[in-house]
Amino acid sequence: GAVVSQHPSRVICKSGTSVKIECRSLDFQATTMFWYRQFPKQSLMLMATSNEGSKATYEQGVEKDKFLINHASLTLSTLTVTSAHPEDSSFYICSAPGLAGGLGDTQYFGPGTRLTVL
Amino acid sequence: GEDVEQSLFLSVREGDSSVINCTYTDSSSTYLYWYKQEPGAGLQLLTYIFSNMDMKQDQRLTVLLNKKDKHLSLRIADTQTGDSAIYFCAEGKPQAGTALIFGKGTTLSVSS
Repeated sequence: GAVVSQHPSRVICKSGTSVKIECRSLDFQATTMFWYRQFPKQSLMLMATSNEGSKATYEQGVEKDKFLINHASLTLSTLTVTSAHPEDSSFYICSAPGLAGGLGDTQYFGPGTRLTVL
Repeated sequence: GEDVEQSLFLSVREGDSSVINCTYTDSSSTYLYWYKQEPGAGLQLLTYIFSNMDMKQDQRLTVLLNKKDKHLSLRIADTQTGDSAIYFCAEGKPQAGTALIFGKGTTLSVSS
């Protein structure tokens, strides 16, 4: 079945540093990927839609200059949290929709990246 | 805008059936999903149902969909302690390439 990987799975960084999170579709191509954020004991909130070859679309209230998204290829999207602060500590999850047809029924989620900013 | 609502907690005894309920607002959603999340882990797709179906059964899992009332339920038969997790209901239109809309999640606690 389709697999989406994320790297790193866990990162701890100091306040003010930048952190890059990678999301890869391993056996299918994804022109679109989604980035979600999940605070403890809360639901997944969509942050942005990553589009291969064009700019990402950000949800209302998400700072595009703080959360930089680059969808460099059909299998890779990156989320960079710039000048991270403790309030950015969260669980970041990416997903990619399956292709039309056999995989078109659902989205495939990465295992998530837990970011802790000290 | 679209919204998905779930009850927040459910507590059952091992061996009983669990029923988790969900309501959604977007009548144009074509797929409805149930995801499971264990502590500290990512999302695991449990099952999904196409909007023109009323019921789908997969081993211990039964999904019921009442499209008229926009009500979705997940029944877990013979609930085990390993079923303890957070269960998220989500709606989506994958053919449109849009993101899923998630409920807040129902925490299922199974006691032995």
